[in-house]
Amino acid sequence: SQQGEEDPQALSIQEGENATMNCSYKTSINNLQWYRQNSGRGLVHLILIRSNEREKHSGRLRVTLDTSKKSSSLLITASRAADTASYFCATDGGGNEKLTFGTGTRLTIIP
Amino acid sequence: KAGVTQTPRYLIKTRGQQVTLSCSPISGHRSVSWYQQTPGQGLQFLFEYFSETQRNKGNFPGRFSGRQFSNSRSEMNVSTLELGDSALYLCASSVRPAGGTDTQYFGPGTRLTVL
Repeated sequence: SQQGEEDPQALSIQEGENATMNCSYKTSINNLQWYRQNSGRGLVHLILIRSNEREKHSGRLRVTLDTSKKSSSLLITASRAADTASYFCATDGGGNEKLTFGTGTRLTIIP
Repeated sequence: KAGVTQTPRYLIKTRGQQVTLSCSPISGHRSVSWYQQTPGQGLQFLFEYFSETQRNKGNFPGRFSGRQFSNSRSEMNVSTLELGDSALYLCASSVRPAGGTDTQYFGPGTRLTVL
């Protein structure tokens, strides 16, 4: 079963716009990570945020974490065509020492 | 440094057969985790091996098994294949056990089709 639900399930935006996707999870966590997956391929790690952090930046990525609401968001600024991919949040903790992935958001950047 | 490699990349089997998939982690990584990805169920954790020991296991039937060798390479085996086993099987490696702050590095996956 999946720990996280992501929303929206699919998102299409124009190149240059910002993209925001959200992740909600059910149990307490140690860390939350975001991954990107290009069509039918392996996952690429984007960023990790610890449970005691509220916000983290990496290049054009900004991640926020609200443990009281059990939710996180990933913001990609100034989107590019190469950002077209599926994005997954993954959590660990809650007694499970493994990564549990969300359902994913399919992001399409329109040139 | 070479990334995580998985072989074969594509596989077609028929129901009732068995299959073995292989994963070579990044050099120096001792943890290997396996995941199944399907359109309906998403990404689901199968098991994790660390230093040749199974450290964690997901909710899959006993037909799914795995092992890890002393060089950290891992194999997973699925016996008595069912149509529902058609999926992308991903492995990921990390230096330390999964579930901490170590990044997991994923391989490209093995696409298994069961006819």
